[in-house]
Amino acid sequence: EAGVTQSPRYAVLQEGQAVSFWCDPISGHDTLYWYQQPRDQGPQLLVYFRDEAVIDNSQLPSDRFSAVRPKGTNSTLKIQSAKQGDTATYLCASSRLGEYEQYFGPGTRLTVL
Amino acid sequence: GDSVTQTEGLVTLTEGLPVMLNCTYQTAYSTFLFWYVQHLNEAPKLLLKSSTDNKRTEHQGFHATLHKSSSSFHLQKSSAQLSDSALYYCALRNNAGAKLTFGGGTRLTVRP
Repeated sequence: EAGVTQSPRYAVLQEGQAVSFWCDPISGHDTLYWYQQPRDQGPQLLVYFRDEAVIDNSQLPSDRFSAVRPKGTNSTLKIQSAKQGDTATYLCASSRLGEYEQYFGPGTRLTVL
Repeated sequence: GDSVTQTEGLVTLTEGLPVMLNCTYQTAYSTFLFWYVQHLNEAPKLLLKSSTDNKRTEHQGFHATLHKSSSSFHLQKSSAQLSDSALYYCALRNNAGAKLTFGGGTRLTVRP
């Protein structure tokens, strides 16, 4: 079974630029999560979906961050007008309804200069 | 809200010595506790999980026991190997939702 895939693996931006991250979860997993992991810190949930519906986006900075999962499969996380404080690894994870284990992708390492 | 505390940010050991990484948590709900391991430039991978009080769970030489009375889920291994060098995260999922709450992580370095 293929794992969670993410692209790009790395991104370097100037402040004020926009960037999008893409995630393809494990086939059959209905729940998809986006986490932000600053350097040397634990992952922190930004948003998660069940199918195409947003379940919790309370930690997503809504003024500059947006996330969609239009068909309940792949997902895109977008940052408008990036700031240096957004420098982190962005991890996507997926899980199957009723199961507690989350499977993580390799992440996208973002550097904002 | 939920919280997970890992008191050691850095642990350095000599190969062959025992490993113990601390994890305590706070939540108002029933929980699942997890240990994830993250090697350099890789995704976090599940190492152990438990929701059963006082039951030892083991995988790949590591073990942990959930103690609800002390809200702890410490990770242990009897003999460290060089390949154990990695970041270790303790995480909690409560029965009110699907999200994981992670601790700050412990970087384990095993030296020859």
